Amino acid sequence: DIQMTQSPASLSASLGETVTIECRASEDIYSNLAWYQQKPGNSPQLLIYDANSLADGVPSRFSGSGSGTQYSLKINSLQSEDVASYFCQQYNNYRALTFGSGTKLEIK
Amino acid sequence: EVQLVESGGGLVQPGRSLKLSCAASGFTFSNYYMAWVRQAPKKGLEWVATISTSGSRTYYPDSVKGRFTISRDNAKSSLYLQMNSLKSEDTATYYCARLAGSFDYWGQGVMVTVSS
Repeated sequence: DIQMTQSPASLSASLGETVTIECRASEDIYSNLAWYQQKPGNSPQLLIYDANSLADGVPSRFSGSGSGTQYSLKINSLQSEDVASYFCQQYNNYRALTFGSGTKLEIK
Repeated sequence: EVQLVESGGGLVQPGRSLKLSCAASGFTFSNYYMAWVRQAPKKGLEWVATISTSGSRTYYPDSVKGRFTISRDNAKSSLYLQMNSLKSEDTATYYCARLAGSFDYWGQGVMVTVSS
């Protein structure tokens, strides 16, 4: 199975800052990568798919990039409503879908 | 509006069985692969099962293979997860999700607690 290594595990940043979360795959996943946001007490919501495509209704301060085995999620101008856990997920091997371990984002 | 509503969770003893259901609406259910994803308390997300549009193909991780069975009824726009031989490590919130490459829609989740 493809292993997804996500970092950092937790992150504290100030309002208005830019933050970046990284995800590394154990093999090339050809941009078949998604990012999800999970606010406390809620189900996950799709943010980014195909590594860099914004899902419907997602603010433009979120962006995704990367290729091969290295991917990142960037949040510009951090807002209070961005407090959440973020997960990456590969779907290149659709028979064995795997998630990163998650990043918990807090406001400093 | 796409809606996925899970039901059937609860407290169950180790070794027993439980069946989860997911009622889908707001889209043509039979056109989409569907899946179950779980999240143990305070933990990350774990994919549990995937089923093809017709139900002819199913996929599972090793952690549940042979114990869990995913199925669907396209006439009822419903997805199911039969869980047998439950273990304490199966305790989690179980989410029904629509697959379009990524998981583009998720249900609100249903809690399953395996404990004596």
